[in-house]
Amino acid sequence: EIVLTQSPGTLSLSLGDRATLSCRASQSVTNDYLAWYQQKPGQAPRLLIYAASSRAAGIPDRFSGGGSGTDFTLTISRLEPEDFALYYCQQYGNSLLTFGPGTKVDIK
Amino acid sequence: EVQLVQSGGEVKKPGESLNISCKGSGYSFGSYLIGWVRQRPGKGLELIGIIYPGDSDTTYNPSFQGRVTISVDKSISTAYLQWTSLKASDTAMYYCARHPLAYGMDVWGQGTTVTVSS
Repeated sequence: EIVLTQSPGTLSLSLGDRATLSCRASQSVTNDYLAWYQQKPGQAPRLLIYAASSRAAGIPDRFSGGGSGTDFTLTISRLEPEDFALYYCQQYGNSLLTFGPGTKVDIK
Repeated sequence: EVQLVQSGGEVKKPGESLNISCKGSGYSFGSYLIGWVRQRPGKGLELIGIIYPGDSDTTYNPSFQGRVTISVDKSISTAYLQWTSLKASDTAMYYCARHPLAYGMDVWGQGTTVTVSS
């Protein structure tokens, strides 16, 4: 099983700030099949990024993903009010998909 | 519009059985994997298992193997998650999600809350 570690656990930032979230895998992720999801209270997760760096349909271009192998990042270039939420990474390079524990982005 | 619509919330007693559902629409249901994901209150996301509706081939997270059964009725575009004997520790929100192999989980159901309490 590939274990994903996300850091930091909580990121306290202001509107307009740049947010950089990290996701590290315990072993290399096949094909860089790494996704990022946003979840708000009471809602289902929403796919933001797939295959490490491709934005899902309808996702604003302030969201970008990068990295390969075992180290990946999600960057939000300028935080908007609706971006304060919980973010999970997920690897789906093998049949046992796993999620990271999440990073909470909250308002400073 | 591509959608997954899940069955309503359930309140059950320990030892009871339960079957929750996830109905797909707006796409070829048999062509995409469906995953089930658990989220306990205040906790993160855990994959339970994945089923391919085309042939019902299923892969379980070992942590859930033997505790639940995932099945599908392709004729009505519906996937199921079943328990034969619920425990209090099964109390959680359960999501189904479409998983086009290279694209992560791109469409999610609204979630089904399961509460198990005596």
